[in-house]
Amino acid sequence: AQSVTQPDIHITVSEGASLELRCNYSYGATPYLFWYVQSPGQGLQLLLKYFSGDTLVQGIKGFEAEFKRSQSSFNLRKPSVHWSDAAEYFCAVGLRAGSARQLTFGSGTQLTVLP
Amino acid sequence: DAGVTQSPTHLIKTRGQQVTLRCSPKSGHDTVSWYQQALGQGPQFIFQYYEEEERQRGNFPDRFSGHQFPNYSSELNVNALLLGDSALYLCASSLAGGGTYEQYFGPGTRLTVT
Repeated sequence: AQSVTQPDIHITVSEGASLELRCNYSYGATPYLFWYVQSPGQGLQLLLKYFSGDTLVQGIKGFEAEFKRSQSSFNLRKPSVHWSDAAEYFCAVGLRAGSARQLTFGSGTQLTVLP
Repeated sequence: DAGVTQSPTHLIKTRGQQVTLRCSPKSGHDTVSWYQQALGQGPQFIFQYYEEEERQRGNFPDRFSGHQFPNYSSELNVNALLLGDSALYLCASSLAGGGTYEQYFGPGTRLTVT
């Protein structure tokens, strides 16, 4: 079965430091991959997506992610974290199930930013 | 351009009761998906509606049902509520012919079952 693993439940970084959030997936074909961010009490906001082509994708708020097929990974990075980046981050895989297209999410990584 | 909207924001129900949650998709979108997000977990797919029909269902019991209206808005109904149904319920909209799996999420409805 398809699955998404985010091995880090909680990460703490200092403001201005670099960030990398890990995501591994299990899927038979080339996946559609997403990173979403969720602030407390809010819905999910799409940060970036990968469908095909260049394996390094740029997103909003200065985030980027790199698709590595050989490692089944899609890690999220940011060179310099801002206090406003504190939130929960979810990696997701797009799957075709019957005639529907659904997202399977990882369990999330909570990011804390220290001043 | 209005994004995905959901109502109500919060809801408190008692075990055994029934609840209806509502969702209006992003302008131009014709497909609505519902997800359940338990505390500390990622969202879990409940089902997806397109052309007023349920396209696919996740691993949820028949107590969870839905409906899509001609204007593409949708309702999620949960019968015989259990304590374990307490969660954030997220609605997501997308375009069926968009060729991607990109979904846009609403702010969610927080359901508490006591």
